[in-house]
Amino acid sequence: AQTVTQSQPEMSVQEAETVTLSCTYDTSESDYYLFWYKQPPSRQMILVIRQEAYKQQNATENRFSVNFQKAAKSFSLKISDSQLGDAAMYFCAYRPSSGGTSYGKLTFGQGTILTVHP
Amino acid sequence: NAGVTQTPKFRILKIGQSMTLQCAQDMNHNYMYWYRQDPGMGLKLIYYSVGAGITDKGEVPNGYNVSRSTTEDFPLRLELAAPSQTSVYFCASTGWTGNEQFFGPGTRLTVL
Repeated sequence: AQTVTQSQPEMSVQEAETVTLSCTYDTSESDYYLFWYKQPPSRQMILVIRQEAYKQQNATENRFSVNFQKAAKSFSLKISDSQLGDAAMYFCAYRPSSGGTSYGKLTFGQGTILTVHP
Repeated sequence: NAGVTQTPKFRILKIGQSMTLQCAQDMNHNYMYWYRQDPGMGLKLIYYSVGAGITDKGEVPNGYNVSRSTTEDFPLRLELAAPSQTSVYFCASTGWTGNEQFFGPGTRLTVL
């Protein structure tokens, strides 16, 4: 079974600085997808960024980028120019490729609470 | 589009009571999911459905039941509520590509 581990229960960053959230996963699959979700106090789950395992290029979305190391099974999220609105719980998630019986099911890590200090 | 909607937003149950959490999506998605999120933890899959009439268990199905009579609706039934079912419940859906799961706003359930 796949597992996703976020080893940092809490992180903090100063406004305008950069912070990196860590995630490791375990799988025997060669094709899969990785995601970072943001959950603010409103509880809404918001997709931040997605990475396809077959792509070597790291995904970026504005101030958010990932460092995907397939061999090491590592998938970290870097937030640049941190803003107060970035404060939230962040979840790393894994999904097998769309083929077979995966049916899009996500496996989540335990989450990292990010605090942004003004 | 309303996306994924869930009702109610909050509910308090007494031990042994039953209830149904409603979930609907208007994106014509085939895949739908129910997750629970315990305090300070990640989401765990309770049940999922790959289309109308087809459901299957996830990681933590005990104490729950689901049905999927239409593409749009995926209700979650709690029978004989227990304090261990105190949690936030999320419904989600995705299309065939599975590129993004769309989540509802969640239902906070407390069992006392």
